[in-house]
Amino acid sequence: SSELTQDPAVSVALGQTVRITCQGDSLRSYYASWYQQKPGQAPVLVIYGKNNRPSGIPDRFSGSSSGNTASLTITGAQAEDEADYYCNSRDSSGNPHVVFGGGTKLTVL
Amino acid sequence: QVQLQESGPGLVKPSGTLSLTCAVSGGSISSSNWWSWVRQPPGKGLEWIGEIYHSGSTNYNPSLKSRVTISVDKSKNQFSLKLSSVTAADTAVYYCARGHTAAGTHYYYYYMDVWGKGTTVTVSS
Repeated sequence: SSELTQDPAVSVALGQTVRITCQGDSLRSYYASWYQQKPGQAPVLVIYGKNNRPSGIPDRFSGSSSGNTASLTITGAQAEDEADYYCNSRDSSGNPHVVFGGGTKLTVL
Repeated sequence: QVQLQESGPGLVKPSGTLSLTCAVSGGSISSSNWWSWVRQPPGKGLEWIGEIYHSGSTNYNPSLKSRVTISVDKSKNQFSLKLSSVTAADTAVYYCARGHTAAGTHYYYYYMDVWGKGTTVTVSS
């Protein structure tokens, strides 16, 4: 089955731009979706599809994709963006399974 | 606005069966969505367990398939998870979530837009 690979940790200075990446074969067929999870809370969808934000998600969050790599970009990171971020898609290898990346811990300095 | 609420025992004995239910409110479980279970062991990442469509069709994580059963009760607008032969490794926060699958122009997309708050299940004697 397909896997999604994320860097375990990324840091960004307050107000700067950060990109979190997700790699996997399924991303050649599926857009990644991205979730933000803060300690003790359920994941929250922040990006889905080509580059769509659910209602209430700030426009500093954006998504992009190229080949087998999807990216979540936060432009002008805020202190409240410090969280774990997970990417997700279906497995494209003929199996209808759902896969998650291992998660990226974002620290805002 | 659709909301999901997990319920079930917070403590399960080793070798026993974990049973959880996810109640769907504010919408119908018979909508065109897949309904998933996701878990998160302490300090670790998210793991997809499986999903069900209102027709009863299911997909399971291959690593858990032999122990997992997901079912739907349309009359109660809820779906359930059973995980058998549990061990300490099954200790986790268990979430239910609503999933969407669709086809775009060149890509497919899948996302989970509504999540329950999660329920902690501990496997211990």
